[in-house]
Amino acid sequence: EVLLVQSGAEVKKPGESLKISCEGSGYTFSHYWIGWVRLMPGKGLEWMGILYPGDSDARYSPSFQGQVTISADKSINTAYLHWRSLKASDTAIYYCAIAGDLTRFDYWGQGTPVTVSS
Amino acid sequence: QSALTQPASVSGSPGQSITISCTGTSSDVGNSNLVSWYQFYPGKAPKLIIYGDNKRPPGVSNRFSGSKSGNTASLTISGLQAEDEAEYYCCSFALSRMLVFGGGTKLTVL
Repeated sequence: EVLLVQSGAEVKKPGESLKISCEGSGYTFSHYWIGWVRLMPGKGLEWMGILYPGDSDARYSPSFQGQVTISADKSINTAYLHWRSLKASDTAIYYCAIAGDLTRFDYWGQGTPVTVSS
Repeated sequence: QSALTQPASVSGSPGQSITISCTGTSSDVGNSNLVSWYQFYPGKAPKLIIYGDNKRPPGVSNRFSGSKSGNTASLTISGLQAEDEAEYYCCSFALSRMLVFGGGTKLTVL
């Protein structure tokens, strides 16, 4: 069974850094793209970017390029989404998901709520 | 504002059929057979229910079907059941080589 288990909810202050995680199991981690999707209240889903753990090929939406970093540690089957300096507007639920190709997401994690507030 | 346009809500009674529309452009929905649909329950992992415009992954009920005409894709759920009450999102692979999503549709089973 394919499972993506994400780290728990986070509450941070503006300007703080944050790294959330997504651990995959039940499939060959290096052979699937792993992406991140943002869900903001009332705004729908947004594709943030995607990484191929096999060769670390990373692609970002122009809206998120330079704002976040996607990485992965193949040795522990875990992907990460990292912010250097959070803003209040980063408050959202963040989902990881895997894709056999770039045209859809086959399996999703349960989501990590992030709240950024002073 | 989302890239793809969906109705905010739809409703239907048990046993009925409902259809959720998803309107994009010739750069995404209308470009190729790459529309997918996802089912979201609060606090749970979302699920892929339709891909390639009209294909169902293994294990997805045949009550779910997808179609497309021009720049508008549709998800139809037949024989509505209480468990279908969820949020549904459409998605398309775009010429920009990114995925674009709809704003989501809340389905209420009356």
